[in-house]
Amino acid sequence: QVQLKESGPGLVQPSETLSLTCTVSGFSLTSNSVHWVRQPPGKGLEWMGIIRSGGSTDYNSALKSRLSISRDTSKSQVFLKMNSLQTEDTAIYYCTLNWEWWGQGVMVTVSS
Amino acid sequence: DVVLTQTPVSLLISLGGQASISCRSSQSLVHSNGNTYLHWYLQKPGQSPQLLIYQVSNRFSGIPDRFSGSGSGTDFTLKISRVEPEDLGVYYCLQRTHNPPTFGGGTKLELK
Repeated sequence: QVQLKESGPGLVQPSETLSLTCTVSGFSLTSNSVHWVRQPPGKGLEWMGIIRSGGSTDYNSALKSRLSISRDTSKSQVFLKMNSLQTEDTAIYYCTLNWEWWGQGVMVTVSS
Repeated sequence: DVVLTQTPVSLLISLGGQASISCRSSQSLVHSNGNTYLHWYLQKPGQSPQLLIYQVSNRFSGIPDRFSGSGSGTDFTLKISRVEPEDLGVYYCLQRTHNPPTFGGGTKLELK
């Protein structure tokens, strides 16, 4: 059974770095791609980036300078790091496998 | 980036009725490999998006045949027949033919 679960801090100070983890089960990261998508409160969905089965990454150009996605295949975990957070980065952050299966999401609020 | 325009923004439907949602793309979604990567999702209140239809017209695992997708090129439609209470929420189209992947703005399906 495919499962994904995001975890991370619920509150981040402005200008600090966000670190999120997507823990997966039921599939191999070396055979599948994982995307990160975010959704500001009451708004639509925005693609952030991908880590492919081979480990290569690609990012939304609007976030590229601040965003990094990596993984630890031995732990079945995918990581998102984004620096210089601002209030407009407040959102629910989701990881998704191949656009098919989604985690429940984690709410991140950027506030002092 | 490819812009996906969904109409209507909101839809009032009676239980048992039929709903139709349009997704129009700013450019053709036919990939160089001949496939069209246009997908449909439903996001129920407080939940993550769930895949309904992939590649225009293919129902994902466990999706009832009340949901159907059609279209080609730049114009796509999701139809929901015999609307049930669990169909309520926001519907999104996603294109992943072109980088970056982009979403439509969403269509909120509500009960009349």
